[in-house]
Amino acid sequence: VQLVQSGAEVKKPGASVKVSCKASGYTFTNYHIHWVRQAPGQGLEWLGIINPSGGSTKYAQRFQGRITMTRDTSTNTVYMEVGSLTSEDTALYYCAREATEAPRGNDYWGQGTLVTVSS
Amino acid sequence: EVVLTQSPGTLSLSPGERATLSCRASQSVSTSYVAWYQQKPGQAPRLLVFGPSTRATGIPDRFSGSGSGTDFTLTISRLEPEDFAVYYCQLYGGSVLTFGGGTKVDIK
Repeated sequence: VQLVQSGAEVKKPGASVKVSCKASGYTFTNYHIHWVRQAPGQGLEWLGIINPSGGSTKYAQRFQGRITMTRDTSTNTVYMEVGSLTSEDTALYYCAREATEAPRGNDYWGQGTLVTVSS
Repeated sequence: EVVLTQSPGTLSLSPGERATLSCRASQSVSTSYVAWYQQKPGQAPRLLVFGPSTRATGIPDRFSGSGSGTDFTLTISRLEPEDFAVYYCQLYGGSVLTFGGGTKVDIK
C-alpha cells in the first residue's frame, strides 16, 4: 500500500494550490481519503474527506468555499485544491486513507506535501 | 463539535519507564472510534491503536489503549528510545476527523 503525494509548492498570497495523492497497492474505491494539514510546529488539522467510489465530499467548515477535493478513478489519484491562500496556509499537507467498511483509523498516510505561501 | 484535550502537554521520562497519556472528550463519544498516533520529526503520523484498544499491524505490545465515554488513555508500558515522539488522539469513523492537541514524550 502506498499513498504518494506531489512535490512541494511555493505560492503567492491569493493564489491556489492543487496537491495530488496517488494510491496503489489496494482497491482504490474501498477506502475514503482524508486530507490533514500541519502548520510548522503545530498539531494536526482535518481539512476534509472524499469517497473515491462516488466522489462525494465533506469539508471542514472553516474551509468551506475555498477547498475542493476530486478524484480520478482511472489513475487512482485524489486531488485537493485550496484557493485564496494566505500565509496561514503554509503547512505540510497529508492525505490518509480510512476503510469505508469497519473503519479502523488512518492506517496509511502520504509522505506529505509542503505548501509555502509567501510574497 | 467534539473537542479532544490531551494531557499533559509534555511528559519527561526515562527509557524503561511507563508513560500514561490522557485524552478527554468534551462530550461522550463512541468508544469504537478512538485512535492514537505517534509522530516523529519529519514523518507522517503512524497509527498505533484504534477502537480504542486494538493495536495496528506491527505495533509492539508495549503500546495499549483504553477508555470509554469521555476519557481515553494510551499507555506505553516500558519506554524504548524510539518511543520518544509526539502522540495524538483522534476521533474517526463519522466522515470527520478530530485530533487532540498532542502530548510530547521527551527524554528526561
